[in-house]
Amino acid sequence: QSALTQPASVSGSPGQSITISCTGTSSDVGGYNFVSWYQLHPGKAPKLIIYEVSNRPSGVSNRFSGSKSGNTASLTISGLQAEDEADYYCNSYTSSNTLNVFGTGTKVTVL
Amino acid sequence: EVQLVESGGGLVQPGGSPRLSCAASGFTFSSYWMHWVRQAPGKGLVWVSRINGDGSSTSYADSVKGRFTISRDNAKNTLYLQMNSLRAEDTGVYYCAREEGSTWAFDYWGQGTLVTVSS
Repeated sequence: QSALTQPASVSGSPGQSITISCTGTSSDVGGYNFVSWYQLHPGKAPKLIIYEVSNRPSGVSNRFSGSKSGNTASLTISGLQAEDEADYYCNSYTSSNTLNVFGTGTKVTVL
Repeated sequence: EVQLVESGGGLVQPGGSPRLSCAASGFTFSSYWMHWVRQAPGKGLVWVSRINGDGSSTSYADSVKGRFTISRDNAKNTLYLQMNSLRAEDTGVYYCAREEGSTWAFDYWGQGTLVTVSS
């Protein structure tokens, strides 16, 4: 089972919107709604920001939104802020033997 | 407040067998699936293993199947990962994480414990 494909880096200016894609197959992203997104700041525990494709946990800013079309899931960050600079990973359940797969990760830079 | 605190990492020789622990607090531990996820230096996150609430069901990534064993002690609110036959490629930060409902979403994570496999 290969990792889900994400762009290595995405950047934007404060206030702008950016979108991170996460491409898999019909055995994972395309076949199930168990897609989640995580934010990683260096030295801190990963943080869940989206689950089941588009649901936001309590306490997560509504500037984060998720969606899915076919085998590709997307995370959109609107009103980009300096604190959003971090690494982002998508994740999906998979029907393969591995059961679970993360994306390759995307580094978000706020210009 | 939910807290997950990993321990047991360190420098291990190839072929070594450390056991990682994850002490949980702030929630009903026995009611949740728990997972281990690792991150090699400079690399991405990789799912390792999971266990259900009463410990009767476990799953593993192909890369660790047959070498790692996940377990839990609900009386001690502690999750474990017994790691055997360690290889250099097992080096990384190991996180324990709680699964929200049955969503395959990991809603709380520990800070991680670093395992370095080297002679």
